Amino acid sequence: GAGVSQSPSNKVTEKGKDVELRCDPISGHTALYWYRQSLGQGLEFLIYFQGNSAPDKSGLPSDRFSAERTGGSVSTLTIQRTQQEDSAVYLCASSSHPAGGYTFGSGTRLTVV
Amino acid sequence: KNEVEQSPQNLTAQEGEFITINCSYSVGISALHWLQQHPGGGIVSLFMLSSGKKKHGRLIATINIQEKHSSLHITASHPRDSAVYICAVKILQGAQKLVFGQGTRLTINP
Repeated sequence: GAGVSQSPSNKVTEKGKDVELRCDPISGHTALYWYRQSLGQGLEFLIYFQGNSAPDKSGLPSDRFSAERTGGSVSTLTIQRTQQEDSAVYLCASSSHPAGGYTFGSGTRLTVV
Repeated sequence: KNEVEQSPQNLTAQEGEFITINCSYSVGISALHWLQQHPGGGIVSLFMLSSGKKKHGRLIATINIQEKHSSLHITASHPRDSAVYICAVKILQGAQKLVFGQGTRLTINP
């Protein structure tokens, strides 16, 4: 597509439920990143995918968080047993190569009530 | 201490003023990015720098690798420039990820 597409744009969920956030990167972009921006906080790295390499999961805050990238394209970030502190904007970005510029999606605003 | 520090945190100016936002970092980097985030959350990549200076319209970004410092300048500022400007660096050694500054909230009044 023309840009990085994220869905849903907004998600309200009850504490304890699982959620899935989707990112559709720019076609042909091999690098895909997930970031999180909590209210009043800066952006923090969650996970990075590059081609067929093993993902860098060093930013995932707990084992309730997982992500996969199928076929080197669409990525899904899953949060299990959501907690209120998971409330944030989850941003996806892609790049044509690791040293290249980034294109960000519009984000998914997750609210855990 | 954060690896990436921005100043000022907040900046309010009148339309037409020349704006400077500063970014200092404490680690070796392979590239520095300037990002713009409008209300509503969307992020736009403005510049990616590894040396020197880049210009795009009224925006200018400079970087001094030796001093570990970058500046973002806006000439003839306009209310539509109001946004949060974020500096982010890709660390030279380590994971392929960006480390972000806390952002500078810019408000341009008409």
